[in-house]
Amino acid sequence: ILNVEQSPQSLHVQEGDSTNFTCSFPSSNFYALHWYRWETAKSPEALFVMTLNGDEKKKGRISATLNTKEGYSYLYIKGSQPEDSATYLCAQGFGNEKLTFGTGTRLTIIP
Amino acid sequence: EADIYQTPRYLVIGTGKKITLECSQTMGHDKMYWYQQDPGMELHLIHYSYGVNSTEKGDLSSESTVSRIRTEHFPLTLESARPSHTSQYLCASSGYGYTFGSGTRLTVV
Repeated sequence: ILNVEQSPQSLHVQEGDSTNFTCSFPSSNFYALHWYRWETAKSPEALFVMTLNGDEKKKGRISATLNTKEGYSYLYIKGSQPEDSATYLCAQGFGNEKLTFGTGTRLTIIP
Repeated sequence: EADIYQTPRYLVIGTGKKITLECSQTMGHDKMYWYQQDPGMELHLIHYSYGVNSTEKGDLSSESTVSRIRTEHFPLTLESARPSHTSQYLCASSGYGYTFGSGTRLTVV
């Protein structure tokens, strides 16, 4: 993996169902992994900053895991709600605080 | 309430015009960034600043220029807009983690 890659590109989920998506990144010289939620017409909102292999973070119904050795992170949403509809971005952070972004996963919750 | 402000939110402008996209933050962050996003593509870093009078080009080449005369202000300027500059421009600053503005969607016709 040379770049940050996210899959799937888009996803439709029934309200109440749980879902997850993936962020893959170069595992060498890992520093940090960021997750953002970006709702239409709003600013990207920080969800998690993860730095340690095996780390798991939770914010309400949203959680994320990190595997720095194999270069991936999963974002989980439990019991999806319409307000979860957004684009979820992951980004690899570096010591100079620059970020390299993936293209995002566009999540649509179907009522 | 947003701590980083971008104006305008939307801009449609003719080819050849000079434009300035404004970005201001109230958090006292030294580090500020401009990212560009074309439809369906990733956010790409085009400019960054680590403090007053410090500006650097980002990973993606851009014809725009930036200035950092005050800590809170990081405007981006295009001297002569072209249709290829049509894109979304997102400003951010970092302390612990990033704070983003709401973006400027620029259309050059």
